[in-house]
Amino acid sequence: AQTVTQSQPEMSVQEAETVTLSCTYDTSESDYYLFWYKQPPSRQMILVIRQEAYKQQNATENRFSVNFQKAAKSFSLKISDSQLGDAAMYFCAYRSPQGGSEKLVFGKGMKLTVNP
Amino acid sequence: ETGVTQTPRHLVMGMTNKKSLKCEQHLGHNAMYWYKQSAKKPLELMFVYSLEERVENNSVPSRFSPECPNSSHLFLHLHTLQPEDSALYLCASSQDGWRSEQFFGPGTRLTVL
Repeated sequence: AQTVTQSQPEMSVQEAETVTLSCTYDTSESDYYLFWYKQPPSRQMILVIRQEAYKQQNATENRFSVNFQKAAKSFSLKISDSQLGDAAMYFCAYRSPQGGSEKLVFGKGMKLTVNP
Repeated sequence: ETGVTQTPRHLVMGMTNKKSLKCEQHLGHNAMYWYKQSAKKPLELMFVYSLEERVENNSVPSRFSPECPNSSHLFLHLHTLQPEDSALYLCASSQDGWRSEQFFGPGTRLTVL
């Protein structure tokens, strides 16, 4: 079974600085999707960025980028120029293509605080 | 209304009550999900419906009963719950297919007394 590990339960960053959130996963599959979701205090979970495993190029979305290391099974999220609105819980998630399953496997999450 | 909506946003119930959570998606998706989010635990997938058929049930106790009358609506019927069932219940929807992004609702904060 796939597992997703976010080893740091909390992090903080100064506004305008850069922060990296770590995520590792375990799988025997060769193709899959990885996601970072953000859950602000209002509780609506929103997708930040996603990466398909067969694509070697790291995904980027404006100030958000990932460092995808397939061999190491590592999928970290870098937030550049941090803003107060980036404060939230961040969840790393894995999705398998197997058997038509829609299942997302989530990590425990990491609370990011942005200090003004 | 846009996106995925959930009602009620907060619910307090006793262990002998029967209540229902409602989810509605306005995105034209054909797959819907129930997740349970407890403090300090990963999100747990409870149920998946694809084209109104239940395709996954993650060993959820029978005191939770889902219903998907059509592709836009999903219910979670609750009866004789336990205090440990207190959690945030999140609904999500997506297009069918593993490459599709899941869109989440704001959740229902459930407290069982």
